[in-house]
Amino acid sequence: EVQLVESGGGLVQPGGSLRLSCAASGFTFSSYWMHWVRQAPGKGLVWVSRINSDGTGTNYADSVKGRFTISRDNAKNTLYLQMNSLRAEDTAVYYCASVTGEWRAFDIWGQGTMVSVSS
Amino acid sequence: DIQMTQSPSSLSASVGDRVTITCRASQSINSYLNWYQQKPGKAPKLLIYAASSLQSGVPSRFSGGGSGTDFTLTISSLQPEDFATYYCQQSYTTPRTFGQGTKVEIK
Repeated sequence: EVQLVESGGGLVQPGGSLRLSCAASGFTFSSYWMHWVRQAPGKGLVWVSRINSDGTGTNYADSVKGRFTISRDNAKNTLYLQMNSLRAEDTAVYYCASVTGEWRAFDIWGQGTMVSVSS
Repeated sequence: DIQMTQSPSSLSASVGDRVTITCRASQSINSYLNWYQQKPGKAPKLLIYAASSLQSGVPSRFSGGGSGTDFTLTISSLQPEDFATYYCQQSYTTPRTFGQGTKVEIK
């Protein structure tokens, strides 16, 4: 079964750090670009970051640039998002998503992991 | 950044109705337009990619159209399981951007 499973979310104080993981199975993880998308409570979807298939190229939304780092371990079929200097506005469900088609749609999604930033 | 604007933001419809949602991009994105369905507490699900291509396993009552800056998602006969929020998204350039969503509710 094709699957993405996120973990690592939780409650953290402002200024703190958290590392999210996304474990892939059922497809050739190392062949595809991967993305993180987040959704604040009651709000819409917002793209956060992406990484190319071999991990050598990354991009970030302006709102997280310099604070978040995306990475991947193709040997472990796992995507990561290191989040530092967290702010209240980073509170959201974080989804990982894969892009396996030529039109670059997010065709496989994880179930999401909740990150809450509060004192 | 490319802005994606959906209309309406919400709509009420009955089972069996034909429903159309529109999405406008702030600049041309060719056909790099995707539609997602999201139900409460669940991850989004890809419905349509490349503006008009149906994702595998998605019912044929869903269809997409348009190119350039103006796009539509049509549900030909609304079913109970279709009540959800729908998002358009451009995959033409980075940053990827989504519309604000259209909530389809039961009349």
